[in-house]
Amino acid sequence: NAGVTQTPKFQVLKTGQSMTLQCAQDMNHEYMSWYRQDPGMGLRLIHYSVGAGITDQGEVPNGYNVSRSTTEDFPLRLLSAAPSQTSVYFCASSPFRGPNYGYTFGSGTRLTVV
Amino acid sequence: DAKTTQPNSMESNEEEPVHLPCNHSTISGTDYIHWYRQLPSQGPEYVIHGLTSNVNNRMASLAIAEDRKSSTLILHRATLRDAAVYYCILRGGTSYGKLTFGQGTILTVHP
Repeated sequence: NAGVTQTPKFQVLKTGQSMTLQCAQDMNHEYMSWYRQDPGMGLRLIHYSVGAGITDQGEVPNGYNVSRSTTEDFPLRLLSAAPSQTSVYFCASSPFRGPNYGYTFGSGTRLTVV
Repeated sequence: DAKTTQPNSMESNEEEPVHLPCNHSTISGTDYIHWYRQLPSQGPEYVIHGLTSNVNNRMASLAIAEDRKSSTLILHRATLRDAAVYYCILRGGTSYGKLTFGQGTILTVHP
């Protein structure tokens, strides 16, 4: 089925470890983004991309890197995991960045850093 | 981004209509009104959006006040699967695509 696929669904990391959260969409959407959701904090934008080769920072980019080498994929890298990065991470895509388009979200990656 | 205000929670009975209100008195002329919902342990799901006119789709209807300072998401016949947190979000052209999620309205549907 068309949509946004996130892997893995669950992950436990030790402090200091690095990992990559994968996000792929098959809808040919130009715009992709990463959010994290923490209890009582709502969803906060980490990084976003308006097309292949173009990325930019959101509200809470520290500790995370992204790249966009293809339209389909937008991986999120945790450079050195910290307990403060324990969260649920959602990837979302949209045909374009403009306000007249809705977003499709993935089902999330639940990350625990110990 | 302009702010939205929603009730913390609402309750409904199955198969009855549900009207979820949202106030956005500082909305600008170019802000679109978006609604998303989030079911337990799932990612947010797009429901509907509009600018000035009322909108209908297979999931819901969106009624927008004439002055655009408020809107209402209408679920015509609530089902147990509609139990979720519903978010009303304003999106303008300068928000670099960001969705600003508030606390939303927790909808409980009783059988």
